[in-house]
Amino acid sequence: DGGITQSPKYLFRKEGQNVTLSCEQNLNHDAMYWYRQDPGQGLRLIYYSQIVNDFQKGDIAEGYSVSREKKESFPLTVTSAQKNPTAFYLCASSFLGTGGTEAFFGQGTRLTVV
Amino acid sequence: QKEVEQNSGPLSVPEGAIASLNCTYSDRGSQSFFWYRQYSGKSPELIMFIYSNGDKEDGRFTAQLNKASQYVSLLIRDSQPSDSATYLCAVNPPGDDKIIFGKGTRLHILP
Repeated sequence: DGGITQSPKYLFRKEGQNVTLSCEQNLNHDAMYWYRQDPGQGLRLIYYSQIVNDFQKGDIAEGYSVSREKKESFPLTVTSAQKNPTAFYLCASSFLGTGGTEAFFGQGTRLTVV
Repeated sequence: QKEVEQNSGPLSVPEGAIASLNCTYSDRGSQSFFWYRQYSGKSPELIMFIYSNGDKEDGRFTAQLNKASQYVSLLIRDSQPSDSATYLCAVNPPGDDKIIFGKGTRLHILP
């Protein structure tokens, strides 16, 4: 089945730790995105990538890092510099085309600082 | 700053009635518009997209686009309790490789 897979579904982080969230897609999509969602809030863009080995900062990139070594994979690292990381993290992917195309989401990772 | 605005709600609609959700956007040249449904604790699910002025119907859902007034709306006919969710409007402005989301409207269908 084609889709976009995030893992783990739940993740707990201790203060000062870096953690990496996985995102894999087999839809042959060009673009991949990471969003953060806080309770009762909308989606805020962290990073996005249109092509392998290239990515751009979104609106709230501080304290996060990404890589795009393969078209299918776009992992997100939440570093110790992110002071308030508890949130719901969503990965999405889409084709690139004139006027844009729709994005599809993974099931999300809920990160909690303990 | 490119923006997508939605009323946060909650919007309460009786079961069987028509729910009307609205969204405005700031970039006049935007061409692609999307509606996502998000249940509590779940990820957003694409339910409609529209590229041209006018109406697009899919089952109980109708998306309406008015580029001159820069708004896009979603109508849900014969509302069901299972339609209770947050509805996110999203726009892909021209020359922009990002999709910009509104903050969403919470919809409650009253049995």
